Amino acid sequence: DVKVTQSSRYLVKRTGEKVFLECVQDMDHENMFWYRQDPGLGLRLIYFSYDVKMKEKGDIPEGYSVSREKKERFSLILESASTNQTSMYLCASRASGTHEQYFGPGTRLTVT
Amino acid sequence: QQQVKQSPQSLIVQKGGIPIINCAYENTAFDYFPWYQQFPGKGPALLIAIRPDVSEKKEGRFTISFNKSAKQFSLHIMDSQPGDSATYFCAASKSGSARQLTFGSGTQLTVLP
Repeated sequence: DVKVTQSSRYLVKRTGEKVFLECVQDMDHENMFWYRQDPGLGLRLIYFSYDVKMKEKGDIPEGYSVSREKKERFSLILESASTNQTSMYLCASRASGTHEQYFGPGTRLTVT
Repeated sequence: QQQVKQSPQSLIVQKGGIPIINCAYENTAFDYFPWYQQFPGKGPALLIAIRPDVSEKKEGRFTISFNKSAKQFSLHIMDSQPGDSATYFCAASKSGSARQLTFGSGTQLTVLP
């Protein structure tokens, strides 16, 4: 059974803190994605990676960075968290040559 | 710029009803149109998908209707059940190395018993 796990289900951080969100997939997928989900806005792509150490900006990369040192792990970094980054963050992975993305359960981040 | 527009934002139907969720897209290069289903506390999961060379696809109680000339597609749920209560997202992508999904804004469906 395919599995994408995210390090935390809920996270509360203070403004200005550096925040790390971790995602691990066990499907040997080449492609990994970070989205944020906000009511009425759907899922918006922050960054994606198509290979180890490779990354591409999505639609809303400002205020975020990513790291992919190993194939199975994709990290989202908020360098200095702000209240407008309070959101649900979803990680996904996809095998090359396919369209289907497999999602993790999400991390609900609150920045106070 | 919202490339995939989804409506309605929320929908309430009685058990056995046929909820219909609509999406419209702008980019004619899109060639894959999935629907994802998300239950509370879970990530979205692929429900059903269609390519533009067919006008309809059925999987169980779920049907996608596709109108290429109008650049619209819709999800129909036959004989809806309370267990179908979830948030539904349409999406679109185009072939190529990235195959990024562009999602609609989501529809929260409630099926009353």
